[in-house]
Formats: sequence, C-alpha cells, structure tokens
Amino acid sequence: DIQMTQSPSSLSASVGDRVTITCRASQGIRNDLGWYQQKPGKAPKRLIYSASSLQSGVPSRFSGSGSGTEFTLTISSLQPEDFATYYCLQHNSYPFTFGQGTKLEIK
Amino acid sequence: EVQLVQSGAEVKKPGESLKISCKGFGYSFTSSWIAWVRQMPGKGLEWMGIIYPGDSDTRYSPSFQGQVTISADRSISTAYLQWSSLKASDTAMYYCARQGAIDVWGQGTTVTVSS
Repeated sequence: DIQMTQSPSSLSASVGDRVTITCRASQGIRNDLGWYQQKPGKAPKRLIYSASSLQSGVPSRFSGSGSGTEFTLTISSLQPEDFATYYCLQHNSYPFTFGQGTKLEIK
Repeated sequence: EVQLVQSGAEVKKPGESLKISCKGFGYSFTSSWIAWVRQMPGKGLEWMGIIYPGDSDTRYSPSFQGQVTISADRSISTAYLQWSSLKASDTAMYYCARQGAIDVWGQGTTVTVSS
C-alpha cells in the first residue's frame, strides 16, 4: 500500500498568513493526488485535483504543487472561512489512501 | 447538477446486519466509480473500497476486505455498503464519493452500533 504522510498534523495561524501543508507518498504517484477541505459536521470538498489544478469555484488563494512523492497545498492569505481540516488523497494505485489530515486553527 | 444522496442515519445493535445506500443524480451512473469512505468519531478519512457500476468491478482496502460488501444496482443508479454482523467499532460516518479522484461527495450516513 502507498502511505501518505501529511504534515503538520495541526497548525495554528492568523488571518492573512501564508500556510503550507505537505503530503509525502511512500512511492511515486505521478500527479494522482487531490486536496480536500472538511469543516465540522460537513462532507469534504475538493480544492485541488491532479496535484495542481484548482477545482472550479475554489478561491485562487488555494494552490497545489508537486509530483512523484512530494506535494504541497498552499493558502496564500488565510481567510476566516479557511479554518478547517485538510486531507490529501492519492488515487494512483489501490488501495487509494488519505493523509492523516491537518487541522488548521485560528491563532 | 451532479449529486450523491445517501440513506438516513442508522442505529443498530451489535451482530445485526445493515445495508446503506448512495443514489447518483445528474450524470451517467454506470460510467463513474463510486468509493466509500469511513470517518470514525473525531478521526480522519479512511478509504474503504470502490465499485464501477458499469460492470461491478470492485476493489477493497485490505483493512476492510471481508468486513464489508460493496455493491451496486445500475438500474436504479444506487451503490450500497453492507455489513453482515455489525460491531461497536463500526460506529462512524460513512461517505460515498464519485470517482477515484473524488470530485463529488454524498452528505454522509451516520451508523451507530450500540447495545
């Protein structure tokens, strides 16, 4: 199985900050990775697909990069509505696997 | 609009069986994979398995193989997740989702197993 190691597991930041979350794959997954945002009591929502493509309707302050084994999600200027938990998902080979999640909290 | 609509919350006793559903709207149900994802209380997302309703090709995570059964009825655009004998540890929120590169999620079904 491909392990997705996501870091940090939690992060405290302020409105306006630039934030980066990382996912490392235990083996190469090309760009078969998505990033998801989940707010309490809600289903997750896709932000980024194919590692770096912005989902329609998602603000441009979100961006993704990487290929192979290392991937990042960057929020360029945090807004109040961005405080949530973020997950990566690799869909390169079965079983597909999620990162452990990053909880982004208000400082 | 593409939507996945899941069945309602369930409360069951240990040892009981259960089948929850996920109905697709607004797209060709037989042409897109449907995945199931577990989220235990206060925990992260776990990928359970996936089915292609067009031919019922199904893949499971080793963690869930033999513990659940994923199926689909393409005539009514519905996928299912079922248990033959529930355990307290099956208490969780279960999401269905479209495609391996998940683009659309159902609203979730809460399953509570308690004596």
